[in-house]
Amino acid sequence: SQKIEQNSEALNIQEGKTATLTCNYTNYSPAYLQWYRQDPGRGPVFLLLIRENEKEKRKERLKVTFDTTLKQSLFHITASQPADSATYLCALITSGTYKYIFGTGTRLKVLA
Amino acid sequence: GAVVSQHPSWVICKSGTSVKIECRSLDFQATTMFWYRQFPKQSLMLMATSNEGSKATYEQGVEKDKFLINHASLTLSTLTVTSAHPEDSSFYICSARAQLNTEAFFGQGTRLTVV
Repeated sequence: SQKIEQNSEALNIQEGKTATLTCNYTNYSPAYLQWYRQDPGRGPVFLLLIRENEKEKRKERLKVTFDTTLKQSLFHITASQPADSATYLCALITSGTYKYIFGTGTRLKVLA
Repeated sequence: GAVVSQHPSWVICKSGTSVKIECRSLDFQATTMFWYRQFPKQSLMLMATSNEGSKATYEQGVEKDKFLINHASLTLSTLTVTSAHPEDSSFYICSARAQLNTEAFFGQGTRLTVV
């Protein structure tokens, strides 16, 4: 069956550390993958897009990797801050149909 | 990033009435708009995909006669929840995409409460 799973429902880390979130997928053929941040009661905010032929993308303190062999994307936030606390969603965009399939999300809490 | 505006941000309606939610792309032309539903602490569930000028494609299990989607222009799509019932209460979110292989941007979401 087709699945997108994010490693954990919740993740607590200490301020200043690097947060690493995982997104695994099975039985999908991705065109690209995106990461979003969602705060309670708000719509998701786009963070990064990585295509299936790209290995890594960076934007300020954010880094995303994409391994199509492992069928996995990792999302890193370096020098994490309490303001980074939110739910992070990965979205796989299928090749051909370009449909968005969302993971279940990981609630990140950065402790001061 | 690009801006997608969703209106209203919240609405309370009586059971049996219809509610319309608007989704506008403010600074780009959206060839495709998506409508999602999200339950508390759950991920986004795609309801339908609409391309400008054509009929929306609904996901399995989503009643097209209940959730009417119109995408009349490249900057506006509407979702109308017809004959709303309390079980339709949820957080509805739209997103818009300019091209097939580009990122989608989301609206702020609409909290619908049917009483």
